[in-house]
Amino acid sequence: GQNIDQPTEMTATEGAIVQINCTYQTSGFNGLFWYQQHAGEAPTFLSYNVLDGLEEKGRFSSFLSRSKGYSYLLLKELQMKDSASYLCAVSGAFSGNTPLVFGKGTRLSVIA
Amino acid sequence: DADVTQTPRNRITKTGKRIMLECSQTKGHDRMYWYRQDPGLGLRLIYYSFDVKDINKGEISDGYSVSRQAQAKFSLSLESAIPNQTALYFCATRGTGIGEQYFGPGTRLTVT
Repeated sequence: GQNIDQPTEMTATEGAIVQINCTYQTSGFNGLFWYQQHAGEAPTFLSYNVLDGLEEKGRFSSFLSRSKGYSYLLLKELQMKDSASYLCAVSGAFSGNTPLVFGKGTRLSVIA
Repeated sequence: DADVTQTPRNRITKTGKRIMLECSQTKGHDRMYWYRQDPGLGLRLIYYSFDVKDINKGEISDGYSVSRQAQAKFSLSLESAIPNQTALYFCATRGTGIGEQYFGPGTRLTVT
């Protein structure tokens, strides 16, 4: 089976750093994706990890540990516009033809 | 112009009516997907297609059908709409290999 867990909600202060965790159990692994989704809008791609370690992209970084089935998304210098849901998704099996499996998302509220 | 478009963007229909949601893409991707999103349940896969001759059921296909009319077009039909099909519906595409999925803007469907 496949299972992806993320916290349901988080709150953080403008200018701070927040870490959103994701744990997964999948049959096979071919990469982990993070998406951002503002309320009522489409998810947009943030990052992709297939090897262990940290990938940095501006204010956003994503980390992967395949042995632990664990990833996190790190958001620095939080801005009000970062208030959104963050979706963790895993590409399972060993080919790209397996659809991504999405977690239920973490709703982040950034407060002043 | 948007790479993935969905029509209609909003629709209100009555129980028992047949309704079709359409998706078109200009990305040249073979793989296309239909998801529904409900509060607290995340994105759930309805159907997916790897090319015009390939259709696969997702985790919640009951009550839905699809048609892949061309590489660029993938339609979702509700044969007899019911109120619990009220949701936000997303179409997505994905290129070959291990790449991210691109989402359309979504269709908000309400069944009364």
